[in-house]
Amino acid sequence: QKEVEQDPGPLSVPEGAIVSLNCTYSNSAFQYFMWYRQYSRKGPELLMYTYSSGNKEDGRFTAQVDKSSKYISLFIRDSQPSDSATYLCAIRGGSNYKLTFGKGTLLTVNP
Amino acid sequence: NAGVTQTPKFQVLKTGQSMTLQCAQDMNHNSMYWYRQDPGMGLRLIYYSASEGTTDKGEVPNGYNVSRLNKREFSLRLESAAPSQTSVYFCASSDGGRAWEQYFGPGTRLTVT
Repeated sequence: QKEVEQDPGPLSVPEGAIVSLNCTYSNSAFQYFMWYRQYSRKGPELLMYTYSSGNKEDGRFTAQVDKSSKYISLFIRDSQPSDSATYLCAIRGGSNYKLTFGKGTLLTVNP
Repeated sequence: NAGVTQTPKFQVLKTGQSMTLQCAQDMNHNSMYWYRQDPGMGLRLIYYSASEGTTDKGEVPNGYNVSRLNKREFSLRLESAAPSQTSVYFCASSDGGRAWEQYFGPGTRLTVT
């Protein structure tokens, strides 16, 4: 079983829709959970991180972690065409420095 | 601040040729990383350097070598390129105490024919 599983999509939604992106992970020892956003032909950039179960909100974005189910989610409210990108979940693995990334979900928000 | 810079942006190699990918960061970060990104495979860690003078293997180190030249620079070398190394290569850096917050460069698109 891979450490992080992420549905690659692609996902296409109309502008203004609520988007839900999800990942599952296998190791209950993981503590930090991140979402990175990657625009086409660019490097990933950190969008949000959290280290506890529950919700963390930042503007239109909400990161949710359920450690009991080993499930992490990113919700985007009032999605905009500028949100069109690949979203990668990431978890901090066994060492302090290594991150394990999901394969990414390609999101397109149509005007 | 330029952040993380990578050179070259694009490269085409023939099988068996060698090359070095260069990476530099100006954020005074201790840790640096090399990833490759392939369609359907996501980002995979090749090597990382927790601090100046140290390097460690990641998930897919075979066929690569690295050098942490100083605190700013971390290079990736392909000694004998193979078509399986066709990929997009990203360098990243992070502050030692915030390893989850990695800053990525723009990437190098490498094709090996």
